[in-house]
Amino acid sequence: DSGVTQTPKHLITATGQRVTLRCSPRSGDLSVYWYQQSLDQGLQFLIQYYNGEERAKGNILERFSAQQFPDLHSELNLSSLELGDSALYFCASRQGSSGYTFGSGTRLTVV
Amino acid sequence: DQQVKQNSPSLSVQEGRISILNCDYTNSMFDYFLWYKKYPAEGPTFLISISSIKDKNEDGRFTVFLNKSAKHLSLHIVPSQPGDSAVYFCAASGFNSGGSNYKLTFGKGTLLTVNP
Repeated sequence: DSGVTQTPKHLITATGQRVTLRCSPRSGDLSVYWYQQSLDQGLQFLIQYYNGEERAKGNILERFSAQQFPDLHSELNLSSLELGDSALYFCASRQGSSGYTFGSGTRLTVV
Repeated sequence: DQQVKQNSPSLSVQEGRISILNCDYTNSMFDYFLWYKKYPAEGPTFLISISSIKDKNEDGRFTVFLNKSAKHLSLHIVPSQPGDSAVYFCAASGFNSGGSNYKLTFGKGTLLTVNP
């Protein structure tokens, strides 16, 4: 157990729908990062939050949004889902100058 | 534009032999490099890192070499074991300029298979 908790582990939904992925970082970690891993792709950076504030944005679609709550958990919202959004979504947290600690991911399948 | 490239999607080696995984980068601002290992159905786990002030870092069976002039790094695993079979991701960051915005850029990964 890495200490980073992601729920749900699997999600199957239809095109056009909206889903919310949840991430609880390791205790004490202020930074949360979201990454997407599609077939044959590496880990693509989506967005970072630090202590509740958005700090960096990567290749995140306008249909996607995220937030970090006062208790430091984060949610990634994906709307108007398309088949191409099917992927593994990873959350990672970090404290200070340490490296990332990843959760086990949420596998999203859009049908 | 892919800033971190792992050109070999897969690598197969015999148990006990050396595994060499390669990674190239294009962004000269990168000054901190990491390798992550990923098993199926799990998130990536940190393996080893190297700062640009070094050209080698060793941790047990794992050694990372950095060639800054060539913008190339490699991970050596000696001896390779069947349990090392996983996807290996190379990652890079402008660590010293990252601060609270520290963001890793990953390659696409190399699937290593170690045959008994």
